[in-house]
Amino acid sequence: GNSVTQMEGPVTLSEEAFLTINCTYTATGYPSLFWYVQYPGEGLQLLLKATKADDKGSNKGFEATYRKETTSFHLEKGSVQVSDSAVYFCAPRGNKLVFGAGTILRVKS
Amino acid sequence: GAGVSQTPSNKVTEKGKYVELRCDPISGHTALYWYRQSLGQGPEFLIYFQGTGAADDSGLPNDRFFAVRPEGSVSTLKIQRTERGDSAVYLCASSLTRGPSYEQYFGPGTRLTVT
Repeated sequence: GNSVTQMEGPVTLSEEAFLTINCTYTATGYPSLFWYVQYPGEGLQLLLKATKADDKGSNKGFEATYRKETTSFHLEKGSVQVSDSAVYFCAPRGNKLVFGAGTILRVKS
Repeated sequence: GAGVSQTPSNKVTEKGKYVELRCDPISGHTALYWYRQSLGQGPEFLIYFQGTGAADDSGLPNDRFFAVRPEGSVSTLKIQRTERGDSAVYLCASSLTRGPSYEQYFGPGTRLTVT
């Protein structure tokens, strides 16, 4: 089955800093790769996805590239905002999602 | 349009009692998923349905847990003889159909507390 390892948090950054959250996965077959975000007090929302190797998913200034050769899907953002404070989950998907433990991001003004 | 809804939003029950958690997926979505999220952890897969049938129930922790989707729409997760370790947020998600490229849309969850 699929599994995922995410960078441990919490990650604390100042506003406008560069963000990287590492994610590596193991999978049978060719999963799609997803990043979900959970804002305080809210439900899980899809942030971005990539469905095949070398695809780049992007949304709200966040980007992640599906790297089959390194089995990675690292999340990046060039300039974080306080409103980006949330928990981020990396998840490969076959028929079901397999979530990492989540990375807490705290952005200070 | 309406998203995935779950009821109740909170449920407190005593150890040993039976509970039912309901999920109403997005209209037209044939795949429905149940996950469980313990505090500080990522969601953990329990079961998924394609239509009325359970296509994969490998995540159900034991035979106290059971889920149904009799008409291919609403689903109910049933937990018998609840234990304190069952306390968690139970999440439901739906997608247009199964398959890796289809996004899963999550409901707000039901927070279950077993005292």
